[in-house]
Amino acid sequence: GQNIDQPTEMTATEGAIVQINCTYQTSGFNGLFWYQQHAGEAPTFLSYNVLDGLEEKGRFSSFLSRSKGYSYLLLKELQMKDSASYLCAGMPGAGSYQLTFGKGTKLSVIP
Amino acid sequence: DAGVTQSPTHLIKTRGQQVTLRCSPISGHKSVSWYQQVLGQGPQFIFQYYEKEERGRGNFPDRFSARQFPNYSSELNVNALLLGDSALYLCASSPRAGTGVENTFGSGTRLTVV
Repeated sequence: GQNIDQPTEMTATEGAIVQINCTYQTSGFNGLFWYQQHAGEAPTFLSYNVLDGLEEKGRFSSFLSRSKGYSYLLLKELQMKDSASYLCAGMPGAGSYQLTFGKGTKLSVIP
Repeated sequence: DAGVTQSPTHLIKTRGQQVTLRCSPISGHKSVSWYQQVLGQGPQFIFQYYEKEERGRGNFPDRFSARQFPNYSSELNVNALLLGDSALYLCASSPRAGTGVENTFGSGTRLTVV
């Protein structure tokens, strides 16, 4: 199957920058997503990369290298409300509609 | 506008029972996908329906089934419940099939099997 790997937990300080990495099999996916999920709530869409490079959206940026099977989510100026799980998800190519999620990275932001 | 609505929000069932979970997509969305999220794991794809037809099925046993109605709402049925079926069941809607970037998730149904 197509595995997606990301760290289980991370801790960072309020106001700091944190990078959450995600790796996957290079032949697996046509695009890579990042979702944020607060405990007991629905995942909410953060970003989508289909081409190599950096996509910036406010305090959140996402990077993709398709040749290396590597992506990261960069969160700047961390706020306490950023404490959540961050899910990396791949979407296969044309003809397949399912998202394959990693196990998620639980980020704790501390004062 | 209402988002994706799922009912019930919480449910407790006994092993061997059957359960039906419901999902109403965002108005105008024709695709509904179902995911199972076990505690501490990422969501796992179960089904996708588009225009009332099954367009994708994940690696789940035949105890799991779903359907989509003419108004694009959907039901997920699970028969012969096992303890391992305890999870958060998420529904996501999108305007068209294959548009993961436009997926909007509901808040889910928390199923506990005892």
